[in-house]
Parts: sequence; structure tokens; C-alpha cells
Amino acid sequence: SAVISQKPSRDICQRGTSLTIQCQVDSQVTMMFWYRQQPGQSLTLIATANQGSEATYESGFVIDKFPISRPNLTFSTLTVSNMSPEDSSIYLCSAGEGAAYEQYFGPGTRLTVT
Amino acid sequence: DAKTTQPNSMESNEEEPVHLPCNHSTISGTDYIHWYRQLPSQGPEYVIHGLTSNVNNRMASLAIAEDRKSSTLILHRATLRDAAVYYCILAGGTSYGKLTFGQGTILTVHP
Repeated sequence: SAVISQKPSRDICQRGTSLTIQCQVDSQVTMMFWYRQQPGQSLTLIATANQGSEATYESGFVIDKFPISRPNLTFSTLTVSNMSPEDSSIYLCSAGEGAAYEQYFGPGTRLTVT
Repeated sequence: DAKTTQPNSMESNEEEPVHLPCNHSTISGTDYIHWYRQLPSQGPEYVIHGLTSNVNNRMASLAIAEDRKSSTLILHRATLRDAAVYYCILAGGTSYGKLTFGQGTILTVHP
């Protein structure tokens, strides 16, 4: 199994600013993903973080708002840019080896935008 | 993406078995059936997954219908710590492992 950590665990930010969330996996993994979970809701996939190439974004999410980096097989970052109160959510990263394998999730980053 | 249908909520008593159903009538031949659960204030936790055959692990069992259009997650003896939202998710084909979460089943366990 993989252990995933995220930094920060929570933050309170002012509107118009940006926050970068880090995701660290304790072993090399092929796939890394970023999700958002709004209060009382299920998880929504933001993007697939691809090592060595641009992230693949889901419908409704764009690179200018959520730039993602994946410099190696154990690390990824998600930036929430030009934040508004609507961006207040829990952001989670996950990692796995594909559909035939289990996926592991980080503990999440709770973001509040004021 | 193929969709799954789960009951919104279920209840169980402690130390009794729990059978959580999931319908996935549009499943494709390459879709794996995954189950995850999310305890309050935590990230989702992997429970079990399978393709065609029934699967067992230390947490649960997964029973897959012969036509693969439905499956059941079985918790053999529910504990209070099993109270969580349980998600049944199909992954495969061109999804490359990405998971599409539905609303899941809220499991309440009574002492």
C-alpha cells in the first residue's frame, strides 16, 4: 500500500490570492489524481497529474485556475489560483497504478477562502 | 463512464453482517468494480475491488453477479468504526484508473 501526505492540512486564504497544495507519496506511482470535495458533497475529479507532461483536466476545470505539476513519480502540486469563496473545499490527491489496482488517498487539504 | 446506483442509506446493528448493494447495468467487459469508504473528516479508504470473481480480503468480501450487472459489498461483522459513506465505482476502459464518485451509501451502525 502507498502512504500519501498532503501539505498544508488546512488554510484560510483571502480572495484573489493563490495557494499551492503539495502531495507526497511514499513510493513511486504511475497515476496521480486531484479531487475536490465541497461541503456535504461527494468527490469530484479535477485532473490527472501526468509525469513529464501537462495534466489532463476534467470538464469544468481549467489549467489557468488549477495549474498542476508532477515533476517525478512521487510528488505533485495543485495550485488554486485567484481564489474566491466558491473555492472553499477539501482538496484531495490520490495515487495508483491504474484501474486494476487499488487507489490510495491523502488526508485532504481543507481550504477556506474569505 | 458507466454509472453505478446505490441506496442512499442503510442501517445495521453492531456485530451483524452488512450487505451493501450496487447496480451497474452498463458495465463494460474491462471495468473493474471498486469499493471505497470515507469516514467522517478523512480521505477515502480503499476497501476492495474485483473484475469477475468474488473477492475476499481482511476488510470485506465482494460478491459479483454472474452477469456483472450488480455487486454486493459484504462486511461480515459490522463495528461502530464501519460507519461511513461507501462508494461503488467502476474503473477501467479508457479511464486509466480515474475514479468517478457518485453519492454513495451512508452506513449507520447502531450499538
